[in-house]
Amino acid sequence: GAGVSQTPSNKVTEKGKYVELRCDPISGHTALYWYRQSLGQGPEFLIYFQGTGAADDSGLPNDRFFAVRPEGSVSTLKIQRTERGDSAVYLCASSPQAGQFYEQYFGPGTRLTVT
Amino acid sequence: AQTVTQSQPEMSVQEAETVTLSCTYDTSESDYYLFWYKQPPSRQMILVIRQEAYKQQNATENRFSVNFQKAAKSFSLKISDSQLGDAAMYFCAYSPTQGGSEKLVFGKGTKLTVNP
Repeated sequence: GAGVSQTPSNKVTEKGKYVELRCDPISGHTALYWYRQSLGQGPEFLIYFQGTGAADDSGLPNDRFFAVRPEGSVSTLKIQRTERGDSAVYLCASSPQAGQFYEQYFGPGTRLTVT
Repeated sequence: AQTVTQSQPEMSVQEAETVTLSCTYDTSESDYYLFWYKQPPSRQMILVIRQEAYKQQNATENRFSVNFQKAAKSFSLKISDSQLGDAAMYFCAYSPTQGGSEKLVFGKGTKLTVNP
């Protein structure tokens, strides 16, 4: 079956612009996660959804970052007034249900470059 | 806060040989999960192996096995009969079972090169 997909694959934007990154989880997966991976680092947790609600948004770095999952499927990560430090690969993962027993399946990521 | 440390930025191994990747972590929790993920150049993270902290038996998945030392907070990955397709970044990750957060905490990774 289809895995987690993320669009766009690459995004280049100018400092100060607004961007949206999309994640399509595996069909039927109720849990969805966003991570950010800076160059030479491991992924860092941003936010976790269980269904439509954000169950844990403690990893969002500031109020320029926001994520939604209005119908409990597709999720969009939104970044306002982008800064060069936002440049990274943004990874999305989904899981059949919440809980560490269930494997998180990752997408290929969106590489965001802020110039 | 929980942290995961991978002290080997790079490792190399000859094809068909065995290599061990190191990982240590810091937590005050007694129950948690530990993972090894593989990230090839395609960027897609793939779960290699998982260990539940309350299980004393080390997890094994085909050529991949772990050495879990709970008291030492150590979780190393052994790859036997290394293959060219094993070349990738390997990330160790921790996830708590308490507190309701399902997030993964990752180390910085180890780049594994497999030489033919």
